[in-house]
Amino acid sequence: QSALTQPPSASGSPGQSVTISCTGTSSDVGGYNYVSWYQQHPGKAPKVMIYEVNKRPSGVPDRFSGSKSGNTASLTVSGLQAEDEADYYCSSYTGSNNFVVFGGGTKLTVL
Amino acid sequence: QVQLVESGGGVVQPGRSLRLSCAASGFTFSTYGMHWVRQAPGKGLEWVAIIWYDGSNKNYVDSVKGRFTISRDNSKNTVYLQVNSLRDEDTAVYYCARGGDYMDVWGKGTTVTVSS
Repeated sequence: QSALTQPPSASGSPGQSVTISCTGTSSDVGGYNYVSWYQQHPGKAPKVMIYEVNKRPSGVPDRFSGSKSGNTASLTVSGLQAEDEADYYCSSYTGSNNFVVFGGGTKLTVL
Repeated sequence: QVQLVESGGGVVQPGRSLRLSCAASGFTFSTYGMHWVRQAPGKGLEWVAIIWYDGSNKNYVDSVKGRFTISRDNSKNTVYLQVNSLRDEDTAVYYCARGGDYMDVWGKGTTVTVSS
């Protein structure tokens, strides 16, 4: 099972919106509505920001939203804030013995 | 509060073994699936293994099949990862995480360094 494809970097100015893509196949992203997104600050554990494509856990700001079209999922961060600067990883259920696959990660820089 | 605490990491020679532990608290452990996820230095996240809430099913990433074994003891609220025949490429921070198709609670990780 190959890793999902994410752009290595993304950036935006405070207050702007940025979208990070996550491309898989019909065997993972395209086949199930089980895409999740994780935020990781340096030296910290990951934190789930979006699950099941577009659901936000309690406590996650509504500036974070998720969507999916075909084999590509997207995370949009609106109204960028300095604390949003972090690495973001997508993941998908695969329905195979390789139960979950992650993307390579995207480093989001707030300019 | 809901918490996961990993332990058991360390520096180990290639070919040797370790047992990682993850102690859970603050929730009904026996009703949740549990994952191990690792992150090599400067690299991204890699899913390693999952065990069903009752231990009835286990899945592994291809690169660790036959070398790593996930298990759990619901009476001790603990999930384990037995890592055998360690290779240089197994050097990573190992996180345990609660969940099924997604991971909603993560520990802080335990570091495994494979070095001669």
